Amino acid sequence: LAKTTQPISMDSYEGQEVNITCSHNNIATNDYITWYQQFPSQGPRFIIQGYKTKVTNEVASLFIPADRKSSTLSLPRVSLSDTAVYYCLVGETGANNLFFGTGTRLTVIP
Amino acid sequence: KAGVTQTPRYLIKTRGQQVTLSCSPISGHRSVSWYQQTPGQGLQFLFEYFSETQRNKGNFPGRFSGRQFSNSRSEMNVSTLELGDSALYLCASSLGAAEAFFGQGTRLTVV
Repeated sequence: LAKTTQPISMDSYEGQEVNITCSHNNIATNDYITWYQQFPSQGPRFIIQGYKTKVTNEVASLFIPADRKSSTLSLPRVSLSDTAVYYCLVGETGANNLFFGTGTRLTVIP
Repeated sequence: KAGVTQTPRYLIKTRGQQVTLSCSPISGHRSVSWYQQTPGQGLQFLFEYFSETQRNKGNFPGRFSGRQFSNSRSEMNVSTLELGDSALYLCASSLGAAEAFFGQGTRLTVV
């Protein structure tokens, strides 16, 4: 399983766009990039998954450059409720043996 | 539809005892995985079951075991509990698509 590297923590003000970048230099051809969000004492929650270029859903966008060695999760106009830990995962889609790294602790400030 | 249900939510056990945790996946999901989360080690994969068979296993000692029943419900057992087994144990079910659905977890405290 490809390892990922993310910033340990980030702070942002309410209403700003937040971009969290993840490095995955050893990503394999079959690997997808998936992001999860976790609040304290709760299980992680799926945010978005992508393979290349750009994916957008109702809560986030995922940008993946052509070499796929990194990816950026973009959260538009964050609110206080977006304060959480965000995990970037790399692996085959549909796999349920997920490898979670350290994650990025996002704190949204009023 | 109902989400992933884990029972109990909280548990306190004594060193040396054993414990069994239960997970009911989302209806129709045949893959169930277990994870351990601690402040020091983060979220770590324990094992995955699919159609009553263990399909993947993480790097945990044999004291950690699991099983899956024909209705896809799964149990995880930890024998000879150690203080370091205190953790949030999470179960996730999947339909084989992109998303894994996690339960609220069982908070195990070993004293």
